[in-house]
Amino acid sequence: QKEVEQNSGPLSVPEGAIASLNCTYSDRGSQSFFWYRQYSGKSPELIMFIYSNGDKEDGRFTAQLNKASQYVSLLIRDSQPSDSATYLCAVIHSGGYQKVTFGTGTKLQVIP
Amino acid sequence: EAGVVQSPRYKIIEKKQPVAFWCNPISGHNTLYWYRQNLGQGPELLIRYENEEAVDDSQLPKDRFSAERLKGVDSTLKIQPAELGDSAVYLCASSFRNYEQYFGPGTRLTVT
Repeated sequence: QKEVEQNSGPLSVPEGAIASLNCTYSDRGSQSFFWYRQYSGKSPELIMFIYSNGDKEDGRFTAQLNKASQYVSLLIRDSQPSDSATYLCAVIHSGGYQKVTFGTGTKLQVIP
Repeated sequence: EAGVVQSPRYKIIEKKQPVAFWCNPISGHNTLYWYRQNLGQGPELLIRYENEEAVDDSQLPKDRFSAERLKGVDSTLKIQPAELGDSAVYLCASSFRNYEQYFGPGTRLTVT
């Protein structure tokens, strides 16, 4: 089992719709969770982080964390073509030196 | 505030040659990361520094890769000798402690 798993996609949504991106993790003690956006040929850009169970909203983005079920989600409301990118989930594991692991990313395509 | 600076942006070398990458983190960020990213994959952590100390180098291929972070600021990642399979994008990121990371533009390495 991979430590951080994401569906590689592509996930296609029409412009204006809600895009839902999911990430599961294996280390139950993980404490910190991050979402990065990566455009083709560019480096990852931090868009959201969440440390506590529940929802965290920032503009059109909502991160949802459920530690009991070991998943974290990213919702993008009113999706725009400029949101088309690969979305990477990152997790900081518990204990020791707090290892950082990225998922392989989900490619999102917003269709005009 | 200046972002993470990396150089060079691109490097083409022949196999068995040495190569070095340089990174200057965001001012005040004590944590520095080196990642390798292959096409279609998420970033893979090679080494993480807390100030001058390498706290996680479990994924660093120590037979050919080395890194240093003198004085707890700039860092250099070296490969000697390079192999064809080392072709990838090498990303540097920094953060305040082990939290939200900010990435540099990366170095695209091609080994021929």
